[in-house]
Amino acid sequence: GESVGLHLPTLSVQEGDNSIINCAYSNSASDYFIWYKQESGKGPQFIIDIRSNMDKRQGQRVTVLLNKTVKHLSLQIAATQPGDSAVYFCAERVSAGGSYIPTFGRGTSLIVHP
Amino acid sequence: NAGVTQTPKFRVLKTGQSMTLLCAQDMNHEYMYWYRQDPGMGLRLIHYSVGEGTTAKGEVPDGYNVSRLKKQNFLLGLESAAPSQTSVYFCASSSTRPVGAEAFFGQGTRLTVV
Repeated sequence: GESVGLHLPTLSVQEGDNSIINCAYSNSASDYFIWYKQESGKGPQFIIDIRSNMDKRQGQRVTVLLNKTVKHLSLQIAATQPGDSAVYFCAERVSAGGSYIPTFGRGTSLIVHP
Repeated sequence: NAGVTQTPKFRVLKTGQSMTLLCAQDMNHEYMYWYRQDPGMGLRLIHYSVGEGTTAKGEVPDGYNVSRLKKQNFLLGLESAAPSQTSVYFCASSSTRPVGAEAFFGQGTRLTVV
């Protein structure tokens, strides 16, 4: 079946480095792709989204890239800080019959070493 | 501004017992969702609702029932709890606006079935 997945379960970086978290998707009907951050003991928190007709979107210290040719999504975090340590989920929102249902991947754990 | 509130935060059930998890949102969102999160599995959709009085099955609906009698509340019921339902449950809500895909999550309910 169609699914959203992640290439790496754990990513370790040094404070100040740039981080890149990758995600593969297979559902061509998705209208949005979203990144969430989940800190220990908390619910996921929205970071940034990108519409399917875009290939790049920038936020504060984050950039999301969408490559529809190879069905690949990435989240780039600039100047990674210890507070960025968390699990990051990519999600795709499939539009079907007027409903918008987010479907999540497994998640990548980002560990930032001071 | 409370956002999405889940009740209770923790619960231990014996096999065969029943319980109801309550989710309340104060953002006037049309869409509400229940997910479960297990280690290494990401978030899996149990049931969702696109409006008051309507519900639909997600990826893993077996053993759960839901109700959306009021727009602001979405209830998840376990009629006869099983150890396989030990998990962290998250409720989320989102609006129907076509621009943007952010879903807002509650803080989670950690359920243990013994």
